[in-house]
Amino acid sequence: DQQVKQNSPSLSVQEGRISILNCDYTNSMFDYFLWYKKYPAEGPTFLISISSIKDKNEDGRFTVFLNKSAKHLSLHIVPSQPGDSAVYFCAASETSGTYKYIFGTGTRLKVLA
Amino acid sequence: SQTIHQWPATLVQPVGSPLSLECTVEGTSNPNLYWYRQAAGRGLQLLFYSVGIGQISSEVPQNLSASRPQDRQFILSSKKLLLSDSGFYLCAWSADRGATQYFGPGTRLLVL
Repeated sequence: DQQVKQNSPSLSVQEGRISILNCDYTNSMFDYFLWYKKYPAEGPTFLISISSIKDKNEDGRFTVFLNKSAKHLSLHIVPSQPGDSAVYFCAASETSGTYKYIFGTGTRLKVLA
Repeated sequence: SQTIHQWPATLVQPVGSPLSLECTVEGTSNPNLYWYRQAAGRGLQLLFYSVGIGQISSEVPQNLSASRPQDRQFILSSKKLLLSDSGFYLCAWSADRGATQYFGPGTRLLVL
């Protein structure tokens, strides 16, 4: 049972435009969410997080939105740059009950120059 | 600042051979430690996690084992590798339950 889903395996966006990466989850007990960026043959790099007490968190070009009722979060990258081309993973955790994060399968973003 | 190391970076091993991958963390005490595997074209699968020395939780029945002999050292092992053990192995640490996890550079394992 995939508790965290990234239904789009790939996404192509023109440089300068907005990239929107989506993530859905099924466990309503999840209360902390992370986004990671991963280049080939490297470890994932933490990008941005959001707690369930918020519905939005911004850090520079990156904004994460959380819709708890829909069990959906999204990562917006504005403006997109060629260096943003990577695989993006979302991850979710029930912070009071576990030490684990459940990761999605990733979305490969390609930013076209 | 905290850093996490993994070695080796790349490993090619024959089927049936043993495995030992090492992960160490610097700049923090009593971290939670994690081993993940990313198979080709797949997401991150949690294999083991540890909340303290000698404490190992296994997530997936498999051919692998983990040990934590020291506070900041986490080792992934196998007595006999299978072809299906090929993949990209990632170690991660976090400061506490639910805290952000930070990943090492990974080890690419190819079992032939």
